[in-house]
Amino acid sequence: KQEVTQIPAALSVPEGENLVLNCSFTDSAIYNLQWFRQDPGKGLTSLLLIQSSQREQTSGRLNASLDKSSGRSTLYIAASQPGDSATYLCAVRGFYNQGGKLIFGQGTELSVKP
Amino acid sequence: ETGVTQTPRHLVMGMTNKKSLKCEQHLGHNAMYWYKQSAKKPLELMFVYSLEERVENNSVPSRFSPECPNSSHLFLHLHTLQPEDSALYLCASSQGPTSGYTDTQYFGPGTRLTVL
Repeated sequence: KQEVTQIPAALSVPEGENLVLNCSFTDSAIYNLQWFRQDPGKGLTSLLLIQSSQREQTSGRLNASLDKSSGRSTLYIAASQPGDSATYLCAVRGFYNQGGKLIFGQGTELSVKP
Repeated sequence: ETGVTQTPRHLVMGMTNKKSLKCEQHLGHNAMYWYKQSAKKPLELMFVYSLEERVENNSVPSRFSPECPNSSHLFLHLHTLQPEDSALYLCASSQGPTSGYTDTQYFGPGTRLTVL
């Protein structure tokens, strides 16, 4: 059974710092991995999707890496800003015959202080 | 409206009530999903509908009853719920079978449900 773990559970940093969020998964047979952002009381916004054949994806100040063999992914946020404060969720997807089921971690709650 | 919308945004109900949550997607997608997000727990997939057929029921109690009348609308009918069912219920949509379910899922803002 696939399990996804995110460390740390919460993180507080001053504005301008570069930071790394970690995600690990127990079964390396994944189709892809996705990072989401969730603002308090709101739905999820997709940030980056990495296919299993890829090593990383970048969008603006965000860079996500994937090491499928070791069951790890990291989300790197450069020059953090107060607007980055949110909960960041990692999710892995099995193969298509599982109906596109996403398995989520519990998230990392990020607070960026001005 | 664009994207995925959910109504109501907040709902308080007693254990004997019957209510329904509504989700609507304006993205032309063929697959829709219900997720449950409880405090301090990961999101849990409840149901998947593809082309209006239910393709996954993730061991959800029968007091939750989904309905997908067309590819744009998804309902979650609730009856005789328990206090532990209080959670944020999120709806999502994606291209579905045409992409092998590998593409991005787009989420609605959720319905915050409280069961008294």
